Amino acid sequence: DIHMTQSPSSLSASVGDSITITCRASQGIRNHLAWFQQRPGKAPKSLIYAASSLHRGVPSKFSGSGSGTDFTLTISSLLPEDFATYYCQQYFSYPYTFGPGTRLEIK
Amino acid sequence: EVQLGESGGGLVQPGRSLRLSCTASGFTIGDYGLTWVRQAPGKGLEWVGCIRSKDYRGTTEYAASVKGRFTISRDASKSIAYLQMNGLKTEDTGVYYCGRAISGHDIWSGSVYNYDYTDVWGKGTTVTVSS
Repeated sequence: DIHMTQSPSSLSASVGDSITITCRASQGIRNHLAWFQQRPGKAPKSLIYAASSLHRGVPSKFSGSGSGTDFTLTISSLLPEDFATYYCQQYFSYPYTFGPGTRLEIK
Repeated sequence: EVQLGESGGGLVQPGRSLRLSCTASGFTIGDYGLTWVRQAPGKGLEWVGCIRSKDYRGTTEYAASVKGRFTISRDASKSIAYLQMNGLKTEDTGVYYCGRAISGHDIWSGSVYNYDYTDVWGKGTTVTVSS
């Protein structure tokens, strides 16, 4: 199975800041990488697929990059509703696997 | 509007069975894949399995932790997908989410790589396995 790691595991930032989260796959997954946002007690929300493509309705303040084993999610101009947990997921080979999550907290 | 709604969760004893339903609206369920993901209390997301779109013959894939116990199926006439869970264990406790998936494939270095990425999620249903 492909193992996914994320760093940092948690992050404190202020409204208006920009942050970057890193996701790494244990083997190459081309660009088959998705990012999800999950607010407490809520369902996941799909943000990005194919490493850098935004789902419909996702604001351009979210951006993704990377290929192979190393990927990043950048969120600019943080708003209160952006403080949540973010997960990456590889969908290159079954079983698909998620990273452990990065919790973004308000400083 | 594309929507998904899970139902069928509840309290069940270890070893028993439960069937979750995922009701779709706003799209043709057979034209898309369907993914199940779960989340144990206080833990991260865990991929459970998927059923691919009819263009990919509706084939199914599962996580090792549920393979042989869980079965994903789809009734296109009712726009419902199911997660049949047999031989439930306490570690199966959690919130179960279904998601609509875009099925596709890549050809790379002479090999075919299937993929399914999720775009829309339901709100989830809670399963508690306990005696």
